[in-house]
Amino acid sequence: DGGITQSPKYLFRKEGQNVTLSCEQNLNHDAMYWYRQDPGQGLRLIYYSQIVNDFQKGDIAEGYSVSREKKESFPLTVTSAQKNPTAFYLCASSMRGNEKLFFGSGTQLSVL
Amino acid sequence: GDSVTQMEGPVTLSEEAFLTINCTYTATGYPSLFWYVQYPGEGLQLLLKATKADDKGSNKGFEATYRKETTSFHLEKGSVQVSDSAVYFCALSGTGGSYIPTFGRGTSLIVHP
Repeated sequence: DGGITQSPKYLFRKEGQNVTLSCEQNLNHDAMYWYRQDPGQGLRLIYYSQIVNDFQKGDIAEGYSVSREKKESFPLTVTSAQKNPTAFYLCASSMRGNEKLFFGSGTQLSVL
Repeated sequence: GDSVTQMEGPVTLSEEAFLTINCTYTATGYPSLFWYVQYPGEGLQLLLKATKADDKGSNKGFEATYRKETTSFHLEKGSVQVSDSAVYFCALSGTGGSYIPTFGRGTSLIVHP
């Protein structure tokens, strides 16, 4: 079945540590996105990529980094510069020029 | 910039009650409008969409009509079930050549038996 796989489902970060969230899709979609979800705040866009080897900052990119070396993969690194990383992180993809997003099941990141 | 405003939750209903979740938007041009649903512990999934004025999107008993004159896209369902308990997000996209959606804050729906 085609879809988006995020891993791990739960992740814990120690002070000063970088952690990487995985996102893989087999939908052959060109565009991929990372959102952060905090209770009562809806979804905020961190980074997006519309093509391999290219990505753009979203509304809250500070403290995060991404790469897009393969069409299928769009990993997100939460760096130690992100002082409040506890949140639910959602990865999504879409066909280029198509507004419908397909979402993964998310990763809950917590700080130890 | 574009924005989406949803009614605050939680909305608490008894099973078989009528549901309305209000959504209004501010956008330049003529956006496409969406409702996404998020069940506990999961990602979002598209519930329905409408791409032009007066279009009605519908799915699983839910429906919403694109009202350009009132810039609204209210979600309705005639008879809710316990399994409809989830968070509902209104979104828009397609303005200024961008296909990246702008989401509302989400409205939590709790349905009691």
